[in-house]
Amino acid sequence: KQEVTQIPAALSVPEGENLVLNCSFTDSAIYNLQWFRQDPGKGLTSLLLIQSSQREQTSGRLNASLDKSSGRSTLYIAASQPGDSATYLCAVRPDSGGSNYKLTFGKGTLLTVNP
Amino acid sequence: GAVVSQHPSRVICKSGTSVKIECRSLDFQATTMFWYRQFPKQSLMLMATSNEGSKATYEQGVEKDKFLINHASLTLSTLTVTSAHPEDSSFYICSAREGPHRTAFFGQGTRLTVV
Repeated sequence: KQEVTQIPAALSVPEGENLVLNCSFTDSAIYNLQWFRQDPGKGLTSLLLIQSSQREQTSGRLNASLDKSSGRSTLYIAASQPGDSATYLCAVRPDSGGSNYKLTFGKGTLLTVNP
Repeated sequence: GAVVSQHPSRVICKSGTSVKIECRSLDFQATTMFWYRQFPKQSLMLMATSNEGSKATYEQGVEKDKFLINHASLTLSTLTVTSAHPEDSSFYICSAREGPHRTAFFGQGTRLTVV
């Protein structure tokens, strides 16, 4: 059974700092890994999706890396801003399951960027 | 990205009553929709998967008679919490995807409070 762990559970940083969020998964047979942002009481917004054959994806100040064999992914946020404050979730899609694949989510990292 | 609309965003109901939550894909046809439940500081837990025109597939431990899911059209799925109790209070999120190999998009979530 796939398990996804995110460390740290919470992180508080001053504005402008670069930071790294970690995600690990127990079963390396994944199709892709996705990072989401969730604001309090809101749904999920997809940030980056990395296919299993890729090593990293970039979007603006965000960079996500994937080391499938070791079961790890990191989300790097450059020059953090107060508006980045949110919970960041990672989710993996299995390599199997066909059309009824199910995402497995971590518990998330609650990020607070202080002005 | 594609838009998934979930309604209502918040609902308070009395114990013993039923509540219906709607999930609509606004700009694509969703062949598959997913319903998740999220407790505070916890990851999203998949409740059920529904394919248009067929019965939903429920995850282990989810009572199908309590959480009724209908996916009658390619743009609408509903989750009805029947005979709600305070322990059903939670954040419910839907997601929808257009096809088996497409990315799923998430609704804004519904905060259900049963008093």
